[in-house]
Amino acid sequence: EAQVTQNPRYLITVTGKKLTVTCSQNMNHEYMSWYRQDPGLGLRQIYYSMNVEVTDKGDVPEGYKVSRKEKRNFPLILESPSPNQTSLYFCASSFRWGRGISYNEQFFGPGTRLTVL
Amino acid sequence: QKEVEQNSGPLSVPEGAIASLNCTYSDRGSQSFFWYRQYSGKSPELIMSIYSNGDKEDGRFTAQLNKASQYVSLLIRDSQPSDSATYLCAVNRGYSGAGSYQLTFGKGTKLSVIP
Repeated sequence: EAQVTQNPRYLITVTGKKLTVTCSQNMNHEYMSWYRQDPGLGLRQIYYSMNVEVTDKGDVPEGYKVSRKEKRNFPLILESPSPNQTSLYFCASSFRWGRGISYNEQFFGPGTRLTVL
Repeated sequence: QKEVEQNSGPLSVPEGAIASLNCTYSDRGSQSFFWYRQYSGKSPELIMSIYSNGDKEDGRFTAQLNKASQYVSLLIRDSQPSDSATYLCAVNRGYSGAGSYQLTFGKGTKLSVIP
């Protein structure tokens, strides 16, 4: 089954304790992305990756790190989480190209609900 | 700053009616347009994509694009209670340099279909 998986699905942690949220896709997609979703603010992009070892900042990258060492995996790292990073996080993936344009039809993972106390 | 605007709703329609959802965008260079459906507590699910001016139909869904007016819409015919969800409009600049691979999402319109 084609899918994007995220782990953990739920996480409660304390300020300053480093954590990693994993994301994996089995569709051979080049493009992967992390979003956070907050009430009233909608979906906002944190980081994205166009291929292995190629990453770039989205709209709200502060306090986050990512890496793309393998095509299928794109972990999100919070080195020193703070309460304002309490949010619902989504990983997404897509192919880059189709018929000469960037289709970017993204498939989303199930989400990770993070609470930072 | 690229912006995508949607009416937050809620938009209430009776079962069997046509629901019309609208979206405007600010970046004239945008080339790819998407509608996602998101049920409460779930992840967004792609339901329509459109790349050229005009209409695109898929079952009960029709996406309409007017690049001159920077406007994209989604029509849902014969609305069902199961269509009750938040609908997100997303816009991608396409292959034109910086920002090519970023989707900008609207904040969504909440649709409620009344039985």
